[in-house]
Amino acid sequence: DTGVSQNPRHKITKRGQNVTFRCDPISEHNRLYWYRQTLGQGPEFLTYFQNEAQLEKSRLLSDRFSAERPKGSFSTLEIQRTEQGDSAMYLCASSRRDQTNEKLFFGSGTQLSVL
Amino acid sequence: AQSVTQLDSHVSVSEGTPVLLRCNYSSSYSPSLFWYVQHPNKGLQLLLKYTSAATLVKGINGFEAEFKKSETSFHLTKPSAHMSDAAEYFCVVSALQGGKLIFGQGTELSVKP
Repeated sequence: DTGVSQNPRHKITKRGQNVTFRCDPISEHNRLYWYRQTLGQGPEFLTYFQNEAQLEKSRLLSDRFSAERPKGSFSTLEIQRTEQGDSAMYLCASSRRDQTNEKLFFGSGTQLSVL
Repeated sequence: AQSVTQLDSHVSVSEGTPVLLRCNYSSSYSPSLFWYVQHPNKGLQLLLKYTSAATLVKGINGFEAEFKKSETSFHLTKPSAHMSDAAEYFCVVSALQGGKLIFGQGTELSVKP
């Protein structure tokens, strides 16, 4: 496994701009998760996909946020009209769902700074 | 709803002394519980996982945790701390439908020489 890959590692943007992050999960992992982590806090669940279907979205995911996983492989998370409160580390994780065990593997994250 | 509470935001120990990181959980069903570690500028790494097979769970790097249903606790321990153990530790519970993880606030572990 090459691990979960996230790009970019860092993103600095001005308030009001749109940003898009990409996550490449471990191959053959059918579940993909997005989390957000702010300084001094634990990661908070945003949304997850099973294959290409988005199965759950957190209330944290406002209308300005949209996530896609068009072919059930990589995923993108877009934030429109960014606000300073969006500044955080955005983490992606993937897993292979089976009957007995499910283990999430996390990427190193994309650190977003909104100026 | 499921939740976890990490009782200490920061723990400081001396190298070679025992480590205890405390976690209490709340769940309306038999939970899956985890401990993850996060080193600076690195991704979250799974230390260990409890899934009801055994109440004492051994993980990587000498860590272990004991599930105590009567106390709704899942404390993480290590007999002897190493400098490399300094990191942020998260106690985590899995949601009923599986997969989705709910994280505690984290405990920062400092290890003094």
